[in-house]
Amino acid sequence: AQSVTQLGSHVSVSEGALVLLRCNYSSSVPPYLFWYVQYPNQGLQLLLKYTTGATLVKGINGFEAEFKKSETSFHLTKPSAHMSDAAEYFCAVSENNNDMRFGAGTRLTVKP
Amino acid sequence: EAEVAQSPRYKITEKSQAVAFWCDPISGHATLYWYRQILGQGPELLVQFQDESVVDDSQLPKDRFSAERLKGVDSTLKIQPAELGDSAMYLCASRPATPDTQYFGPGTRLTVL
Repeated sequence: AQSVTQLGSHVSVSEGALVLLRCNYSSSVPPYLFWYVQYPNQGLQLLLKYTTGATLVKGINGFEAEFKKSETSFHLTKPSAHMSDAAEYFCAVSENNNDMRFGAGTRLTVKP
Repeated sequence: EAEVAQSPRYKITEKSQAVAFWCDPISGHATLYWYRQILGQGPELLVQFQDESVVDDSQLPKDRFSAERLKGVDSTLKIQPAELGDSAMYLCASRPATPDTQYFGPGTRLTVL
């Protein structure tokens, strides 16, 4: 079965600094990969997804992620952090775009 | 933009009481999911519907939890009786027929006292 590991439950960056949130996955078939963001007491909002094709995926709010099959990774990046980026971020994997498994999440803090 | 609706947003109950949550998916979305998210963790699937049929309820604690989607549109998740360990966020998501993204509602935050 598929699984996701998010390295680092908490990440803190300064405003304007690079954001890097790490995600490694396990899947027996070519995976579908997702990043979601969750603000306090709200549902999950899709940032970006990889299904097939180009391995560098661009999402909303300036985020992007690169699918690296050899490293089984799908790390999320943003060149310059904004205060509004402070939230919980979840990486998820699906083997058939149906049964989705989520990581434990990474809480991003942005310092002024 | 269409959204998944959930109610109530917050629910406080005492243990041994019954609670129910409601979800209205995006119109036309055949697949509906209920997830439980314990504080500090990622969402875990409880039950998946395809139209009115249950596709996967392997992680649903069936001794106390039940879910239905009678007309293949909106859905209700019930807990009876509630236990302290049920305190969590309950998320509903829907997905259209063609393979695509799951869209999440705002969730119901349950606190069991």
